Amino acid sequence: EVQLLESGGGLVQPGGSLRLSCAASGFTFTNYAMSWVRQAPGKGLEWVSGISDSGGSTYYADSVKGRFTISRDTSKNTLFVQMNSLRAEDTAVYYCAKGGRDYGSGPTYYYYGIDVWGQGTTVTVSS
Amino acid sequence: DIQMTQSPSSVSASVGDRVTITCRASQDISSWLAWYQQTPGKAPKLLIYAASRLQSGVPSRFSGSGSGTDFTLTISSLQPEDFATYYCQQANSFPLTFGQGTKVEIK
Repeated sequence: EVQLLESGGGLVQPGGSLRLSCAASGFTFTNYAMSWVRQAPGKGLEWVSGISDSGGSTYYADSVKGRFTISRDTSKNTLFVQMNSLRAEDTAVYYCAKGGRDYGSGPTYYYYGIDVWGQGTTVTVSS
Repeated sequence: DIQMTQSPSSVSASVGDRVTITCRASQDISSWLAWYQQTPGKAPKLLIYAASRLQSGVPSRFSGSGSGTDFTLTISSLQPEDFATYYCQQANSFPLTFGQGTKVEIK
């Protein structure tokens, strides 16, 4: 069964840091691009960051550029996002997400949509 | 960034109704559009990709159409489990962007 399992969420003070992890199973992790997508309470979906299948290319939304760093460990089939200088507006459920296409570059990995989502982990930034 | 605009923001419908949701991109995205369904407290679920291709396991009452800047999601006969929020998302360029969502409510 294809599965994504996030962990690492919690309560953090403004200006603090948090590292989220996503353990992938049931598919060949190195064949797919991965992303983080978040959803603030009562709001819509916002793509945050993406990484290529090899890990050689990374992409960020302007709202997190310079503060968040996405990475992947292919030996552990795990996706990460290091979140620094957290702000109240970063409060959200963070979903780990798998690109649906097993070849391509950049956004073309998502031509077949985001076909697998984790259950989400909640990040709350508050004093 | 490509802006995605959905309409309506909400729709009230009854079981068996035909429901249509539209999504407009701020620039040409070819056919690189996906549709998702989300119920409260759950992760989104992929319904349609490449504008009109049905994801495996998704009921055939869901269909998508369109290209360029204008797209449509149609539910041909609404079922009780279809009451949810629906999002479109473009995959033409980074950042990937979503529409604001359309909530399908029980009439």
